[in-house]
Amino acid sequence: AQSVSQHNHHVILSEAASLELGCNYSYGGTVNLFWYVQYPGQHLQLLLKYFSGDPLVKGIKGFEAEFIKSKFSFNLRKPSVQWSDTAEYFCAVTLSGNTGKLIFGQGTTLQVKP
Amino acid sequence: DAGVIQSPRHEVTEMGQEVTLRCKPISGHNSLFWYRQTMMRGLELLIYFNNNVPIDDSGMPEDRFSAKMPNASFSTLKIQPSEPRDSAVYFCASTATGGGYGYTFGSGTRLTVV
Repeated sequence: AQSVSQHNHHVILSEAASLELGCNYSYGGTVNLFWYVQYPGQHLQLLLKYFSGDPLVKGIKGFEAEFIKSKFSFNLRKPSVQWSDTAEYFCAVTLSGNTGKLIFGQGTTLQVKP
Repeated sequence: DAGVIQSPRHEVTEMGQEVTLRCKPISGHNSLFWYRQTMMRGLELLIYFNNNVPIDDSGMPEDRFSAKMPNASFSTLKIQPSEPRDSAVYFCASTATGGGYGYTFGSGTRLTVV
């Protein structure tokens, strides 16, 4: 069955540190990939998405992600985190060309210390 | 664009009572999804609709849960009878065909069953 795995459940960083959150999916076909962020008490907001083309995707708030097809990975990165990045981050995948299930990973809680 | 609108934002009910959650998707979006979020299980897809037709309800936990989409601008998720283990945040999301714009989430309904 299609699944998404996020390696880090809880990450604690100091401000200005670099961030990388891991995401792997298990599906051999063509997929669409997403990263969502959920700030405390709020709903999910789209950070960035990959459908095709350049595997390095830039999103909002300085986030980027790289799609590595051979590794079935879509890791999220940010060179320098801020306290306001404290939130939960979700990787998600759906099948390309199909408005169907958006499957989420377990989520990673990021805590940035000022 | 008002986004995906959910109501109510908070619901507290007694065990055994019927609960109805409501969702208005973004105009023009033809796919609608209901998710449940808990600490233990993360984000679970309950059911989704394409063009008002239920496509996959395999995530609906049991017969106590039902969902309808009578038209393109309205959907309901009903729990009857409610139980304390149903306490969660329920999110509605919508997207256009192909999901090219990503999936837009509502603000959620926080349900507490006492």
